[in-house]
Amino acid sequence: GAVVSQHPSWVICKSGTSVKIECRSLDFQATTMFWYRQFPKQSLMLMATSNEGSKATYEQGVEKDKFLINHASLTLSTLTVTSAHPEDSSFYICSALDWRGAEDTQYFGPGTRLTVL
Amino acid sequence: GNSVTQMEGPVTLSEEAFLTINCTYTATGYPSLFWYVQYPGEGLQLLLKATKADDKGSNKGFEATYRKETTSFHLEKGSVQVSDSAVYFCALNSGGGADGLTFGKGTHLIIQP
Repeated sequence: GAVVSQHPSWVICKSGTSVKIECRSLDFQATTMFWYRQFPKQSLMLMATSNEGSKATYEQGVEKDKFLINHASLTLSTLTVTSAHPEDSSFYICSALDWRGAEDTQYFGPGTRLTVL
Repeated sequence: GNSVTQMEGPVTLSEEAFLTINCTYTATGYPSLFWYVQYPGEGLQLLLKATKADDKGSNKGFEATYRKETTSFHLEKGSVQVSDSAVYFCALNSGGGADGLTFGKGTHLIIQP
C-alpha cells in the first residue's frame, strides 16, 4: 500500500506563534491531499482540500487565513497554523489521494498532535 | 449535509466472539461507504469499502454490506482476535474520490484473550 508521512508527530508551542505541519506521500504522487482535524473522542472533521498548484478549498467554518495550506509539489502539502491559540490544540491528520489503482483511495498519515500553551 | 452515526464504545469482547459495529448514514446522492481502522500509534488504514447499493466489502475476515434501504453499513466479523483491538471509523464520500470523507466518531474495540 501507499505510505503517507507527517512531520512532526507532535509539537508544543507558545500562544501567538506559528506552526508548520508537513504531509508527504512517500511512494506516489498526489495531486490532491486533505487535511482533517480530530478532537478527543470525536470524529475527524475535514478542514480543507489541497490541490497541487492551486489554492486550497476550505470547508465551511474553517478560517483560511489561520490555517494556511500550501501544496507546492506532487508529494508535499503543508498546513501552517498561524498565531496559534490554545483552542487550536488538536490532532491534525492528512491524507493523500492515490489515483494509480482502478479506484482512487485515500491514504492517511499518522497525525500530528499540536499543543498550544 | 452528510453525516455518519456509529455506535460509541468502547466495545469489549472476548476472543473468538462475533462482532457487529453499527453504522448508519445520511447523504445526498449515492455515496461510497468505507470502514477505516486505526491501530495504536498508527494512521488510519482502509479496511474495506463499497461503492454502490448491495455491494459487500470484505477484508481480513471483516465484512460490511451497503444497505441503501436502511442507509446502513454495519461492520461484522465472525471471530475476533486480540489483534483486532483498534478504533474503527465508518465514513462516506458522496462526491467521488476527489472529495474528502465524512467520518463517524469512531468505535474503540477491545478484544480480551
